[in-house]
Amino acid sequence: ETVMTQSPTSMSTSIGERVTLNCKASQSVGINVDWYQQTPGQSPKLLIYGASNRHTGVPDRFTGSGFGRDFTLTISNMEAEDLAVYYCLQYGSIPTFGAGTKLELK
Amino acid sequence: QVQLKESGPGLVQPSETLSLTCTVSGFSLTSYSVSWVRQPSGKGPEWMGRMWYDGDTAYNSALKSRLSISRDTSKNQVFLKMNSLQTDDTGTYYCTRDTEIVMPSYYWYFDFWGPGTMVTVSS
Repeated sequence: ETVMTQSPTSMSTSIGERVTLNCKASQSVGINVDWYQQTPGQSPKLLIYGASNRHTGVPDRFTGSGFGRDFTLTISNMEAEDLAVYYCLQYGSIPTFGAGTKLELK
Repeated sequence: QVQLKESGPGLVQPSETLSLTCTVSGFSLTSYSVSWVRQPSGKGPEWMGRMWYDGDTAYNSALKSRLSISRDTSKNQVFLKMNSLQTDDTGTYYCTRDTEIVMPSYYWYFDFWGPGTMVTVSS
């Protein structure tokens, strides 16, 4: 099973700030990584698929990158509605999620 | 529009069997796969298994011995049964629509999720 390790576990941010979230796979997964956003009490929502493709309707301030073992989700200009927990997922034969990064306000 | 909705008992006794139903609308179960994903409170999600569009199934190896997924295409429903429940099976259970793209590159993602159903394992 491929383990996905996300860092940091939580992050304090300010509105308008640039935020970078990290995800590291225990073995190479190519570009087989998605990113999901989950706000309290809601189901996760797809942001990025295939490491760098923005899902329909996702604002362009969200950018995904990476290949192999190291992946990044960047929010270029933090907005209040972006306060949430973010999960990476690798979709190999047994899909596995990271433990998440929680974005909070400073 | 695409919708999924989970239903089932909120409380299950330890060692008993959990039975959940996912009712879908807006897409065909013979065109899209459906996965079950669960999430303990405050933790990351865990993929449990999938009903493929062609009727085949795939399971997380950690749960395979306890888990069964089936469907009724005439009712647009996918079913989950998991036996020998313990307290660490407590959490929110989601069904998701899986989209798989094979060209020009291989992509796979959960593009629609149900609202989830909370399951508590307790005596």
